[in-house]
Amino acid sequence: QQPVQSPQAVILREGEDAVINCSSSKALYSVHWYRQKHGEAPVFLMILLKGGEQKGHDKISASFNEKKQQSSLYLTASQLSYSGTYFCGTEIGDTGKLIFGQGTTLQVKP
Amino acid sequence: DAGVIQSPRHEVTEMGQEVTLRCKPISGHDYLFWYRQTMMRGLELLIYFNNNVPIDDSGMPEDRFSAKMPNASFSTLKIQPSEPRDSAVYFCASSFSRFANTGELFFGEGSRLTVL
Repeated sequence: QQPVQSPQAVILREGEDAVINCSSSKALYSVHWYRQKHGEAPVFLMILLKGGEQKGHDKISASFNEKKQQSSLYLTASQLSYSGTYFCGTEIGDTGKLIFGQGTTLQVKP
Repeated sequence: DAGVIQSPRHEVTEMGQEVTLRCKPISGHDYLFWYRQTMMRGLELLIYFNNNVPIDDSGMPEDRFSAKMPNASFSTLKIQPSEPRDSAVYFCASSFSRFANTGELFFGEGSRLTVL
């Protein structure tokens, strides 16, 4: 029941945009997005609970499709600080059990 | 608040030895999670607790692994006996009331375990 993330890795130049996808074979109760820098703990970005919901802060936003089986994370005008591994965490049912995808490694170059 | 505190930060041990990892969650948080991270498997959920009670331990690899939460401010993950394939970074995370607020899981800095 692990969600599937794509792509596995992305290399960008500063200022370019990126999209990371997270999909599940089952309808999800919630989707969480986290970013982890090398040698550090994952840090929370946002949670989406409702189908059709979109959220964002600064230039990072996310959507949760109507069927609640897919979420996408959008990084606009990427900065060097965006580099890291992005994980989606999914919850099937209101259980509190959060399962993470394999992660997408994002590298932003000057 | 000091955040989620894990110890030890690094542990190197020999195969067959017992390993105990410790976690102090953020005060007031009622959910506690143990995750294991490796290159091959990513972030795996091992077990999680709600109000000190284990809710789901289906991710615990085998009987060599056990976890306890004797009170709201302390949890342990024990591996006995340890094997080289247990080498990983073990994260503890806590959250408040089922994502009632922002939904954030607060992670500790992790315990890096190396079993020789």
